[in-house]
Amino acid sequence: EVQLVESGGGLVKPGGSLRLSCAASGFTFNNAWMSWVRQAPGKGLEWVGRIESKNDGGTTNYAAPVKGRFTISRDDSKKTLYLQMNSLRIDDTAVYYCTTYSGQGGPIDYWGQGTLVTVSS
Amino acid sequence: DIQMTQSPSSLSASVGDRVTITCRASQSISTYLNWYQQKPGKAPRLLIYTASSLQSGVPSRFSGSGSGTDFTLTISSLQPEDSASYYCQQSYSSLGAFGQGTNLEIK
Repeated sequence: EVQLVESGGGLVKPGGSLRLSCAASGFTFNNAWMSWVRQAPGKGLEWVGRIESKNDGGTTNYAAPVKGRFTISRDDSKKTLYLQMNSLRIDDTAVYYCTTYSGQGGPIDYWGQGTLVTVSS
Repeated sequence: DIQMTQSPSSLSASVGDRVTITCRASQSISTYLNWYQQKPGKAPRLLIYTASSLQSGVPSRFSGSGSGTDFTLTISSLQPEDSASYYCQQSYSSLGAFGQGTNLEIK
């Protein structure tokens, strides 16, 4: 059974940093493309970014609102995905979901339960 | 960047009704279009991928169609458990944008 468990969310001040982790199990992590999706309170889904498997090049892509501030990385030995978030803004407040991406052109097929990040002074 | 536009943003329908939600891409995305369902307090789940392929375990009353820029999600006979938000998402480009969502309420 695929399991994605996010951690690291919490309250942070504007301009601060936070790192989210996602522990994966139940599938071959090192072959998986992974992504982060967020959802602000009461709002819709927003794609944040993705990382390819190292075998496929390990390329990362980011949505415009987070590009240059957020960094997605992975540790295949620990089966863990990360989201480093810097220069956080109030509008980054959201539930952040870790997801598996079924490769180039494919859908997001599995989701974690999400972790809440609140940016507030 | 490819923009995705859904309509309507909300709708209310009765059990047994046929319901259609539309998604339009700002440029052609072939059939790289996916649909998700999200219930309150839960993570989304994949319903339809590549425009018309039903994800395993999803009831057959859900179907998808379209190609290019215009796509539809159809629920053939609405059930009470279909009350949820529905989102389209393109996977044509490396930036996988979502539509703004459709809130479906059961009358």
